[in-house]
Amino acid sequence: AQSVAQPEDQVNVAEGNPLTVKCTYSVSGNPYLFWYVQYPNRGLQFLLKYITGDNLVKGSYGFEAEFNKSQTSFHLKKPSALVSDSALYFCAVRDARTARQLTFGSGTQLTVLP
Amino acid sequence: KAGVTQTPRYLIKTRGQQVTLSCSPISGHRSVSWYQQTPGQGLQFLFEYFSETQRNKGNFPGRFSGRQFSNSRSEMNVSTLELGDSALYLCASSLGQGFRNLMNTEAFFGQGTRLTVV
Repeated sequence: AQSVAQPEDQVNVAEGNPLTVKCTYSVSGNPYLFWYVQYPNRGLQFLLKYITGDNLVKGSYGFEAEFNKSQTSFHLKKPSALVSDSALYFCAVRDARTARQLTFGSGTQLTVLP
Repeated sequence: KAGVTQTPRYLIKTRGQQVTLSCSPISGHRSVSWYQQTPGQGLQFLFEYFSETQRNKGNFPGRFSGRQFSNSRSEMNVSTLELGDSALYLCASSLGQGFRNLMNTEAFFGQGTRLTVV
């Protein structure tokens, strides 16, 4: 079965500093990886995805993520955090071999301090 | 292009009642998935529909059901509501045509329906 782990419930970072939100996954086939962001009382907004190719994926709002197959990780990064980046971030995976639906991690609450 | 529309946005129901939630996907999208979001369990997959057929189902009791219409609009129904059914119910749409397309493309989410069972 596919699974996703986000080991940090909460990440705090100062505005202007780089941020990292961690994600590790477990699948039996090739992973299709996604990051979503959720603002209060809103649905999820797509940030970026990894399907194949370059391990560094660039997405919306200056976010990027690094795929590491040996460590089965897909960490979300941004070089310089903004206060407006404060939100709940979800990592998700689809396993091409066993399932079609998105399996989400438990979410990481990012707070960017001014 | 209009996004995914879910109605109603908020709903309060009494235990034992039943409820129907509606989702209109992005125009041209034929796959609709439903998720339940709660503080304790996070985001959990309910089911996925494509061309009026349920293709995938999560681990929820039979009280949770859904359907999709020929225009790709979808509804989900919860019967005999329990207090634990209180949650944000999210609908997501994607193109969904062809296996590779389904796997590669991101899902677009609606704003959700906040269901409170009292």
